[in-house]
Amino acid sequence: QKEVEQDPGPLSVPEGAIVSLNCTYSNSAFQYFMWYRQYSRKGPELLMYTYSSGNKEDGRFTAQVDKSSKYISLFIRDSQPSDSATYLCAKNSGYSTLTFGKGTMLLVSP
Amino acid sequence: EAGVTQFPSHSVIEKGQTVTLRCDPISGHDNLYWYRRVMGKEIKFLLHFVKESKQDESGMPNNRFLAERTGGTYSTLKVQPAELEDSGVYFCASSQGQVEIGYTFGSGTRLTVV
Repeated sequence: QKEVEQDPGPLSVPEGAIVSLNCTYSNSAFQYFMWYRQYSRKGPELLMYTYSSGNKEDGRFTAQVDKSSKYISLFIRDSQPSDSATYLCAKNSGYSTLTFGKGTMLLVSP
Repeated sequence: EAGVTQFPSHSVIEKGQTVTLRCDPISGHDNLYWYRRVMGKEIKFLLHFVKESKQDESGMPNNRFLAERTGGTYSTLKVQPAELEDSGVYFCASSQGQVEIGYTFGSGTRLTVV
């Protein structure tokens, strides 16, 4: 079983929709969970992070971690075409290493 | 503040040749990381430098890969000799402070071995 599992998509939604992106993880060691956004031909860009369980909100984005079910979620409200990108979930897996999911490609159509 | 710079952005080489990738981290960042994404797979950790020392190189696939970081500044990743399975996108990242959340990635070097 991979340490972080993520559906690659693509996920297509109309502008203004609420988007839900999800990951599961298997290793409960280490407690930071992150969402990265990656545009085509660019490197991953840190979008949000959470520590342990709970929710964290930043503008239109909400990150959620459910440790009991080992589930990581990112919600995007009022999605925009500029949100079209690949979204990668990640968690730390050591002192300084990150383990990534494969990424979900999101397409927001005008 | 300049970001993490990687070059070349794209390299096409023949199997058996040598390729050297370079990464310039954000100035003042002691931590430098190399990651790689092979097609269809997730981004995977290769190694971590703290200044000029290798902190963790557990992700390096084999001894054809050699990473160096001169004087704790820029880093190079050499693949010698390159094999077909080495094709992918090589990302460099740097951070200062809380390493779990402070990564800044470069745009990557797309390596194609033919």
